[in-house]
Amino acid sequence: SQKIEQNSEALNIQEGKTATLTCNYTNYSPAYLQWYRQDPGRGPVFLLLIRENEKEKRKERLKVTFDTTLKQSLFHITASQPADSATYLCATITGTYKYIFGTGTRLKVLA
Amino acid sequence: GAVVSQHPSWVICKSGTSVKIECRSLDFQATTMFWYRQFPKQSLMLMATSNEGSKATYEQGVEKDKFLINHASLTLSTLTVTSAHPEDSSFYICSAEREAGGGKLFFGSGTQLSVL
Repeated sequence: SQKIEQNSEALNIQEGKTATLTCNYTNYSPAYLQWYRQDPGRGPVFLLLIRENEKEKRKERLKVTFDTTLKQSLFHITASQPADSATYLCATITGTYKYIFGTGTRLKVLA
Repeated sequence: GAVVSQHPSWVICKSGTSVKIECRSLDFQATTMFWYRQFPKQSLMLMATSNEGSKATYEQGVEKDKFLINHASLTLSTLTVTSAHPEDSSFYICSAEREAGGGKLFFGSGTQLSVL
């Protein structure tokens, strides 16, 4: 079955450094991948979408890459700040029109 | 961005009672809404896809008679947890697309259900 995996459950990083989160997909070739931010007790918030024909997408301090050979997307936060601490979810839409999510990576930026 | 409103934010109920959760798209029409369930430190699990004017499509393992979904208008979907039991305690989140298949989901703020 189609799967989205985020191998790192948690990531601690020092303020000012670049955080890199990984999303892998299997048994599937998604047309696009999405990244969301979720704070505790809240619904996810859409951040970025990258299509299979796009290598890279940027939005302010965020950067997303899509490597169809490695079946992987990387999500980068540059110049990280404590306010970036949250859970980041990778997601995609399946061929049967369902949005599926990875388990998320809890990022903690240390001051 | 598009706004999805969900309420209540939290609810505590006795075992055996029913609880209704509302999900509204405030500034756009949503033909399709998605209902998710999330346990602590776990990801979102799709429960059902709610389609305006037709029956919801439930995921495998989700009891449709227990989790009643009604999508009566293009801006409102409701999830009713019937005869709730402690194992139904969870965080329920709805979402909607502004553009069908557009790739962006807008989420409600979630409902924390605690069944005593």
